[in-house]
Amino acid sequence: NAGVTQTPKFQVLKTGQSMTLQCAQDMNHNSMYWYRQDPGMGLRLIYYSASEGTTDKGEVPNGYNVSRLNKREFSLRLESAAPSQTSVYFCASSEALGAGDRNYEQYFGPGTRLTVT
Amino acid sequence: QQQVKQSPQSLIVQKGGISIINCAYENTAFDYFPWYQQFPGKGPALLIAIRPDVSEKKEGRFTISFNKSAKQFSLHIMDSQPGDSATYFCAASRMGGGNKLTFGTGTQLKVEL
Repeated sequence: NAGVTQTPKFQVLKTGQSMTLQCAQDMNHNSMYWYRQDPGMGLRLIYYSASEGTTDKGEVPNGYNVSRLNKREFSLRLESAAPSQTSVYFCASSEALGAGDRNYEQYFGPGTRLTVT
Repeated sequence: QQQVKQSPQSLIVQKGGISIINCAYENTAFDYFPWYQQFPGKGPALLIAIRPDVSEKKEGRFTISFNKSAKQFSLHIMDSQPGDSATYFCAASRMGGGNKLTFGTGTQLKVEL
């Protein structure tokens, strides 16, 4: 099992360019999440998807769009990149159902380090 | 609004000592409190988690203490080892609300020989 995979690992964009960050999980999880990590601020939720075909905004959704393509894949799109979007982006997945604590563990991918100049 | 406050920002502990990291939350609807460990260049990984119906949970050298009335919880790392040097994040969520994690700002732990 690969767990949660993310592509690309690194990306440099110019202001105004667009790009899509890809995420896939092979654990048959229902829920998927996109977070950004900035120094001194921890991880903040951008968007999440409780199931295929559903998405919802998190704490910092402005400037981003998402697509839950199927149960495995959840992509994050920057339509017009800004320097404020320079960050490390993490995708995560979780079963998020049932009573057991382990069902709520979020598994994180290795991250995409994005720089916008 | 910082819903989960974490301290200290950084911590240096001698090998064999006890590392203690504290968190406080505001939203009483939170019912799941995990701690994540992150090594440089890697994604966070779950270390241990607790529900508010218990006051303490121990897994190996790692213990979470939970004080529901004070809305505080803490991570204790016993017999700290150099391999424990990492960044630790507390988090909180509502399990029935999509399990969307709200993270603390992180504690950079260094365990010295």
